Amino acid sequence: AQKVTQAQTEISVVEKEDVTLDCVYETRDTTYYLFWYKQPPSGELVFLIRRNSFDEQNEISGRYSWNFQKSTSSFNFTITASQVVDSAVYFCALGRGTSYGKLTFGQGTILTVHP
Amino acid sequence: NAGVTQTPKFRVLKTGQSMTLLCAQDMNHEYMYWYRQDPGMGLRLIHYSVGEGTTAKGEVPDGYNVSRLKKQNFLLGLESAAPSQTSVYFCASSLDPPQETQYFGPGTRLLVL
Repeated sequence: AQKVTQAQTEISVVEKEDVTLDCVYETRDTTYYLFWYKQPPSGELVFLIRRNSFDEQNEISGRYSWNFQKSTSSFNFTITASQVVDSAVYFCALGRGTSYGKLTFGQGTILTVHP
Repeated sequence: NAGVTQTPKFRVLKTGQSMTLLCAQDMNHEYMYWYRQDPGMGLRLIHYSVGEGTTAKGEVPDGYNVSRLKKQNFLLGLESAAPSQTSVYFCASSLDPPQETQYFGPGTRLLVL
């Protein structure tokens, strides 16, 4: 069975701090896909990144970076120099490589960045 | 492009009433999905469709029905609403999975009294 665990329910930081959101997944598939979505206070879900299981390269996009480690089944997300606009709920999700694309979501991490 | 849109944005129902949530996408995506979001539980898949005229059950399908008469539209129906169906409902669409990303609509907040 697929499972995604985001152990941090809530994180609170002060602006300009770096923050890492953890994501641990379980799957028996050899091919799978990992995603991060952001849900700001307005409520919509915004796609941030997708990572294929066969590509373990880390990725950096501006202040965002992602660390994918198959050995520990983790796909962690780091925000460098956090800003108030980063305050949101962040979801990690796991997609199967062999079926219709069902996403299994983690419970989400509420990030609050204080000025 | 509007992307994925959902109607209505917010609705209050009484127990036993029925309603239909409409999802529309203008990206020519084959796959469409309905999720519900509840506090502390992330998003859970209700039903999905792999193309016009097809539907299939997801993780939590009970109490819901869906239809995909047109490629761009995916309807979610509640025949007899229950308080347990109070939730935020999200529609998503994607090109052929599993490689492609799912793009989500803005959500519909439903309150069943």
